[in-house]
Amino acid sequence: ETGVTQSPTHLIKTRGQQVTLRCSSQSGHNTVSWYQQALGQGPQFIFQYYREEENGRGNFPPRFSGLQFPNYSSELNVNALELDDSALYLCASSLAQGANTGELFFGEGSRLTVL
Amino acid sequence: QKEVEQNSGPLSVPEGAIASLNCTYSDRGSQSFFWYRQYSGKSPELIMSIYSNGDKEDGRFTAQLNKASQYVSLLIRDSQPSDSATYLCARGDYNQGGKLIFGQGTELSVKP
Repeated sequence: ETGVTQSPTHLIKTRGQQVTLRCSSQSGHNTVSWYQQALGQGPQFIFQYYREEENGRGNFPPRFSGLQFPNYSSELNVNALELDDSALYLCASSLAQGANTGELFFGEGSRLTVL
Repeated sequence: QKEVEQNSGPLSVPEGAIASLNCTYSDRGSQSFFWYRQYSGKSPELIMSIYSNGDKEDGRFTAQLNKASQYVSLLIRDSQPSDSATYLCARGDYNQGGKLIFGQGTELSVKP
């Protein structure tokens, strides 16, 4: 069984740039969620995708956008990067019912630094 | 008031002791609660879920839920140095699809 994989693991960008983070879901999982975790804080929900449709969104501005592909992999795009976007971005996959039970399987994350 | 609140710690216990981690939440309608463990530099992993009032035991871990007091706790018996990690409390919010609302986490240090 293949786990959740994310890429890149680390990246450095400057203010105003754009970034794309990628995630491959665990085999058999059709729901993917993205979370932002600032240093010393718990993860914060960005959005969730189910069968290629956005299925819920947290309090993040529109410059945070996403996609889910037919193979259930996903992308998180952030435009016009700000210093406060520096964080660990976590992708989590689950079965649809898993999303309703909180049984999320997290990838190892992409650590973004904005200078 | 934060939706899910935890003491950030660090909580330090000696090896073999019971570690008690606490969490309160503000949404009285919450039905599902989870404890995730996060080692330094790693991603969170689910260790316990609880949905009903009372205790739920799994090995050395016991989750306790009191919906009237809006309180969730995690007890770790016979604590080991390998239990040293940040423990994240979360509640499920299914108003829009499904998401977890996490607390800020409690750092646990188990001293040999």
